[in-house]
Amino acid sequence: ETGVTQSPTHLIKTRGQQVTLRCSSQSGHNTVSWYQQALGQGPQFIFQYYREEENGRGNFPPRFSGLQFPNYSSELNVNALELDDSALYLCASSTPTNGKLFFGSGTQLSVL
Amino acid sequence: EDQVTQSPEALRLQEGESSSLNCSYTVSGLRGLFWYRQDPGKGPEFLFTLYSAGEEKEKERLKATLTKKESFLHITAPKPEDSATYLCAVQVYAGGTSYGKLTFGQGTILTVHP
Repeated sequence: ETGVTQSPTHLIKTRGQQVTLRCSSQSGHNTVSWYQQALGQGPQFIFQYYREEENGRGNFPPRFSGLQFPNYSSELNVNALELDDSALYLCASSTPTNGKLFFGSGTQLSVL
Repeated sequence: EDQVTQSPEALRLQEGESSSLNCSYTVSGLRGLFWYRQDPGKGPEFLFTLYSAGEEKEKERLKATLTKKESFLHITAPKPEDSATYLCAVQVYAGGTSYGKLTFGQGTILTVHP
């Protein structure tokens, strides 16, 4: 059984730039969620995708957007980066009726 | 609004010294309560899901319990390799396929000294 993989592992951007983070879901999982984890905090829900459509969103502005592809891989896009966007971004996959989430190792984003 | 509070924020134990971590929650319609372990620089690793008050689950030195307002993670005779951040999260009934959302607490940093 393959796990959840994310790329890149680390990324440095400057304020105002755009970034794309990628995620491959665990085999057999067709639901993907993205989370932001600031240092010393628990993960915060950004949004969820199911069947290539956004299916639930947390308290994040529209400059956070996503895509899910037919093979269930996913992207998180963040436009107009701000310093406060510096965080660990986690992708998690699951099946639609089983709430158990499997997380990737995350992408550490630093905005300078 | 769903809220999850974990205590203590940090816990230092000697190897073999048993203790408990607490997770208090306020939600409208609990579907499940989750415990995860997170090592530095890694994503959370699933430990347990509890669905109803009175439920208990065990795995090696860890035992999770659930009441209507809180959950406890009991660690019996911990070892240094149990050192990690332990996260508690709740999932509420959302209908359909909206079960990807977990609301997390801030975590408890556990350090076990040899």
